[in-house]
Amino acid sequence: GAVVSQHPSRVICKSGTSVKIECRSLDFQATTMFWYRQFPKQSLMLMATSNEGSKATYEQGVEKDKFLINHASLTLSTLTVTSAHPEDSSFYICSARDHRGAQNTEAFFGQGTRLTVV
Amino acid sequence: EDKVVQSPLSLVVHEGDTVTLNCSYEVTNFRSLLWYKQEKKAPTFLFMLTSSGIEKKSGRLSSILDKKELFSILNITATQTGDSAVYLCAVGNSNIIQGAQKLVFGQGTRLTINP
Repeated sequence: GAVVSQHPSRVICKSGTSVKIECRSLDFQATTMFWYRQFPKQSLMLMATSNEGSKATYEQGVEKDKFLINHASLTLSTLTVTSAHPEDSSFYICSARDHRGAQNTEAFFGQGTRLTVV
Repeated sequence: EDKVVQSPLSLVVHEGDTVTLNCSYEVTNFRSLLWYKQEKKAPTFLFMLTSSGIEKKSGRLSSILDKKELFSILNITATQTGDSAVYLCAVGNSNIIQGAQKLVFGQGTRLTINP
């Protein structure tokens, strides 16, 4: 199956700093990638839809100035958590679909990034 | 608002038991229903269902979709301790952006298999 690589897998940062998370599709092109956040013992909540070459679409309640998304190429999307605070500590996961061929394909997830803000 | 509800939220059984996990949904423009298994990290794909009444099987796991009643079940027979995980149900709806679907996830069912 298709491979999505997410980096870093774990990051600890100080309050007020910014953290960048990368999501790469390794063997396919993804015009659209999705960013999710998962708090402990809760399900994945979609934060935003990342569109190659255009602005991301954010879900209601997600601050676009705080969670900057860039999708500069067909294989790379980045999420930057700006001025991180302890309440931003969470598990962030990206996903992408291979849009070639069949219309319905499963979403492949990156390994996730566990962010801890201290 | 699109909604996916899973039940039970938590289930503890003994090794060898059979379990059934439930997922009901209310979404506009339904395209597919997906089941994922999540252990400590990112979810791993199990099944994708698009048609009613057609059972999908993979080893001891099977799943079926009922689009009329808007629900799906995931069955695991002869459970093993390695089946302990959170099982997530997600529904894909239509999205006008380049044909990509957003996935709406349920809360997950935390399954624990005791030896």
